[in-house]
Amino acid sequence: GESVGLHLPTLSVQEGDNSIINCAYSNSASDYFIWYKQESGKGPQFIIDIRSNMDKRQGQRVTVLLNKTVKHLSLQIAATQPGDSAVYFCAEITSGSARQLTFGSGTQLTVLP
Amino acid sequence: EPEVTQTPSHQVTQMGQEVILRCVPISNHLYFYWYRQILGQKVEFLVSFYNNEISEKSEIFDDQFSVERPDGSNFTLKIRSTKLEDSAMYFCASSVRGPEQYFGPGTRLTVT
Repeated sequence: GESVGLHLPTLSVQEGDNSIINCAYSNSASDYFIWYKQESGKGPQFIIDIRSNMDKRQGQRVTVLLNKTVKHLSLQIAATQPGDSAVYFCAEITSGSARQLTFGSGTQLTVLP
Repeated sequence: EPEVTQTPSHQVTQMGQEVILRCVPISNHLYFYWYRQILGQKVEFLVSFYNNEISEKSEIFDDQFSVERPDGSNFTLKIRSTKLEDSAMYFCASSVRGPEQYFGPGTRLTVT
């Protein structure tokens, strides 16, 4: 069936470096892609979203890139800080669905001092 | 900043018992959701709710599950007869209109 998945389960970066978290999706009918951050013991926290008719969107210290040709999504975090340590999920909303989020399996980002 | 709240934070119940998980969505939001996350696994969609009715549900959301918005603020998930495999974190979420869903802190359900 259709799925959203992540390339790497873990990623370690030095504080101050940039982080790139990748996600592959297989459902070409998706309208929106969303990145969530989940800290231990907490619910997913919205970071940034991108519509399927865009290829780049920037937020505060974060950029999401969408490559529909290869069905690939990435989250770039600039100047990674210790507080960025968390599990990052990509999620998609499929066209025609009532905003049902389909989550990927998550990448654990660890920021090293 | 407004946030989604959930109670209880942890619920322990025996197999076969009924549980009700409670959520207070953000006050001006119109769409409400329940998701669950089994330990170490992905977050999975259960159900979405709009205009006092279910708008979409997943295969997980079988006859043992029900949702209700009993008043203007609460949104509940009931599991009629819990099974061991219902043990998970249950997240409530809400949204205004767009895709941005705000999640609560979750209720950890442990079925023994």
